[in-house]
Amino acid sequence: DQQVKQNSPSLSVQEGRISILNCDYTNSMFDYFLWYKKYPAEGPTFLISISSIKDKNEDGRFTVFLNKSAKHLSLHIVPSQPGDSAVYFCAASWNRDDKIIFGKGTRLHILP
Amino acid sequence: NAGVTQTPKFQVLKTGQSMTLQCAQDMNHEYMSWYRQDPGMGLRLIHYSVGAGITDQGEVPNGYNVSRSTTEDFPLRLLSAAPSQTSVYFCASRRSFYSNQPQHFGDGTRLSIL
Repeated sequence: DQQVKQNSPSLSVQEGRISILNCDYTNSMFDYFLWYKKYPAEGPTFLISISSIKDKNEDGRFTVFLNKSAKHLSLHIVPSQPGDSAVYFCAASWNRDDKIIFGKGTRLHILP
Repeated sequence: NAGVTQTPKFQVLKTGQSMTLQCAQDMNHEYMSWYRQDPGMGLRLIHYSVGAGITDQGEVPNGYNVSRSTTEDFPLRLLSAAPSQTSVYFCASRRSFYSNQPQHFGDGTRLSIL
């Protein structure tokens, strides 16, 4: 059973607009969430994270929102740039365990 | 600073052959892990290590062995390759056991089993 779900396999967004990538989780024990970005032929790279004690974390153009009651988080990219075209993985963990559970990823296409 | 280095980048094997995927990190990280990425499946944990001399199984360990004799190296061994092991393999490391830390990934090994 998938504990971390990214229900949109792909997303296309116009350059300059906002990209919103969504992630749902089922395990209420998760207390830390991370987003990774992956380009073809490269490994994933860490993008941004959020602890369950917060509902928002911002880093430049990237903001992650966490809604614990809905077990939902989203990654906002504003404004979207061509270099943002990549696969984005949502991941979740809980501090009593060392394992990180990854979603299946969403491929983001930024259109010129 | 090289980070996490994986070799080889590509490999083709025949069914039944064995091989070792190499992984090395130069960040003095305690925690290292191996993932496989398959189409539509995301990243799945194969084996992990919380420090030199300590390894454990992840979600999909069957058909793979690991060892951790040094902090820097964490090789993944395929004992008898099967077509189901065709995948992209990623090695990752992070500073410690605690999962609230970013992981650093290598660039992957693309493995095809014929």
